[in-house]
Amino acid sequence: AQSVTQLGSHVSVSEGALVLLRCNYSSSVPPYLFWYVQYPNQGLQLLLKYTSAATLVKGINGFEAEFKKSETSFHLTKPSAHMSDAAEYFCAVSGYNFNKFYFGSGTKLNVKP
Amino acid sequence: DAEITQSPRHKITETGRQVTLACHQTWNHNNMFWYRQDLGHGLRLIHYSYGVQDTNKGEVSDGYSVSRSNTEDLPLTLESAASSQTSVYFCASSESLLAGATNTGELFFGEGSRLTVL
Repeated sequence: AQSVTQLGSHVSVSEGALVLLRCNYSSSVPPYLFWYVQYPNQGLQLLLKYTSAATLVKGINGFEAEFKKSETSFHLTKPSAHMSDAAEYFCAVSGYNFNKFYFGSGTKLNVKP
Repeated sequence: DAEITQSPRHKITETGRQVTLACHQTWNHNNMFWYRQDLGHGLRLIHYSYGVQDTNKGEVSDGYSVSRSNTEDLPLTLESAASSQTSVYFCASSESLLAGATNTGELFFGEGSRLTVL
């Protein structure tokens, strides 16, 4: 069975600082991995995805994530946080045929001025 | 533009009442999903469908049902609402792998329905 673990339900950084949100997956087969972002009172929207091409994936708003099979990780990073990055971030895993998605419990990112 | 819409966006009901949350997508996606979002639990899958007349139970399906009579709609019904079903509900859709090379694997979400059961 597939599952996703996000370490840290809340992360707080200063504006301009590095953002690092952690995600580890458990999968019996090579998975597809996603990061979604949720702004207050909205649905989730795709930030980036890994589908077995390049292991370093670039997404929208300056975010990127690196797939590390040896560590079963897919951590999300951004070199310099902006106030507009404050949101909740979800890591998700899907099987080969995209017919089911499993989400982590989410990490709320707070950006301090 | 294609979209996925949920209604109502907010609903307050009483314990024991039947409630139906509507989900309508114009992406022409075969796959549709219902999730509930609760603090500390992230998104948990309630039911899902891979096409017309197909429905499947997710990890938290007790007390919920769905039906898929056409491609566009997947209504979620709470047969007898309970306080434990107070939550934010999200509908989502995705293209199936059979759709071919355009399949991006992306889930498209509605804006959510906030349900309070008193």
